[in-house]
Amino acid sequence: QVQLKESGPGLVQPSQTLSLTCTVSGLSLTSNSVSWIRQPPGKGLEWMGVIWSNGGTDYNSAIKSRLSISRDTSKSQVFLKMNSLQTEDTAMYFCARMGITTVYWGQGVMVTVSS
Amino acid sequence: DIQMTQSPASLSASLEEIVTITCQASQDIGNWLAWYQQKPGKSPQLLIHSATSLADGIPSRFSGSRSGTQYSLKISRLQVEDTGIYYCLQRYSNPWTFGGGTKLELK
Repeated sequence: QVQLKESGPGLVQPSQTLSLTCTVSGLSLTSNSVSWIRQPPGKGLEWMGVIWSNGGTDYNSAIKSRLSISRDTSKSQVFLKMNSLQTEDTAMYFCARMGITTVYWGQGVMVTVSS
Repeated sequence: DIQMTQSPASLSASLEEIVTITCQASQDIGNWLAWYQQKPGKSPQLLIHSATSLADGIPSRFSGSRSGTQYSLKISRLQVEDTGIYYCLQRYSNPWTFGGGTKLELK
């Protein structure tokens, strides 16, 4: 079955760079897009960006200057890198295959930005 | 960016009651609208896609409708398991944007 699993550090210092990995099983990254979505504690969902099946990317304009999404198709992994982290970047970070009719989400990884 | 204005922000309803949640898009998004339900500590679950189509495995008491740029999610007979937070999502154009969420509780 399809699974997505996020991994990365739970704590990041302010001004540092966040690096997260989404490991995908049960579907091919060359045929499927993967999005990153985040959710601050007690708040709503924010779509961050997507890497398409052809390797192209689109980013939320609000964070585009700080965000990079890439992948390693041989390892079925998608990567998120976001620099210049601030406390307001504290959130649960999800990766998801957001098809039109079928959606698969990871369980999420909590990232706290604090010194 | 397209804004999705969701209302109400919170809602308390009784068992078997009809519940309606709406999202107003700031511009035309066609049928590129989905509804999600999120339970505490869980990832969101797709309920409705393409504005009106029920996702696989979702009970038929959930339905979606569209009138111009206003989209609605209706729960025809509220059940205990329907409590949670509901979000709309437009994927007509980047950035995809979620509504602010509606917290649904049982009265």
